[in-house]
Amino acid sequence: GQQVMQIPQYQHVQEGEDFTTYCNSSTTLSNIQWYKQRPGGHPVFLIQLVKSGEVKKQKRLTFQFGEAKKNSSLHITATQTTDVGTYFCAGKHGGSQGNLIFGKGTKLSVKP
Amino acid sequence: KAGVTQTPRYLIKTRGQQVTLSCSPISGHRSVSWYQQTPGQGLQFLFEYFSETQRNKGNFPGRFSGRQFSNSRSEMNVSTLELGDSALYLCASSLGLRLAHFTGELFFGEGSRLTVL
Repeated sequence: GQQVMQIPQYQHVQEGEDFTTYCNSSTTLSNIQWYKQRPGGHPVFLIQLVKSGEVKKQKRLTFQFGEAKKNSSLHITATQTTDVGTYFCAGKHGGSQGNLIFGKGTKLSVKP
Repeated sequence: KAGVTQTPRYLIKTRGQQVTLSCSPISGHRSVSWYQQTPGQGLQFLFEYFSETQRNKGNFPGRFSGRQFSNSRSEMNVSTLELGDSALYLCASSLGLRLAHFTGELFFGEGSRLTVL
């Protein structure tokens, strides 16, 4: 079936270091969304990317959608302890009838 | 604006029993999706309901079923519980937009944590 692969599964960084998580699909995505889930919490929507090559920024977070619309990345500059959590990408394949397929997430821990 | 409400938050069942979980979406949202979250498998899509109709279904056995009521509230049922059904079940509501490239954001509830003994 259709999948969205996300790497790495875990990432441990020192506070102040940068962090990147990657999502890949074997087929073209209509769009991709990113969510953050804090420990013990529920996923919270961060952003949606729709256009080929799109780049969006939210403060220290930079989101990219690949030119072929098959991959995406989330980059956090100078991580803080508040960035701790699991980051999920969710892509929609095909036309408007497809549902969002979530990657398995990247769990980020930040050492102060 | 009230968020997505899921009940119960925690429950313990034994193998072979059945369970019903409830989800009240954000007011005005017509789409409710259900996901199963486990440590090893991440978020797996169960099904989506829109205006009382199942619009999409994931790859889960027939023991997993759901429905949506006219007020958009949704329930999911798992019959003949197995140990592997232990998970966090998340409900997400959205406007249910189905534009060509744009998908409405999902608003998740806190989840129902099911433990099967």
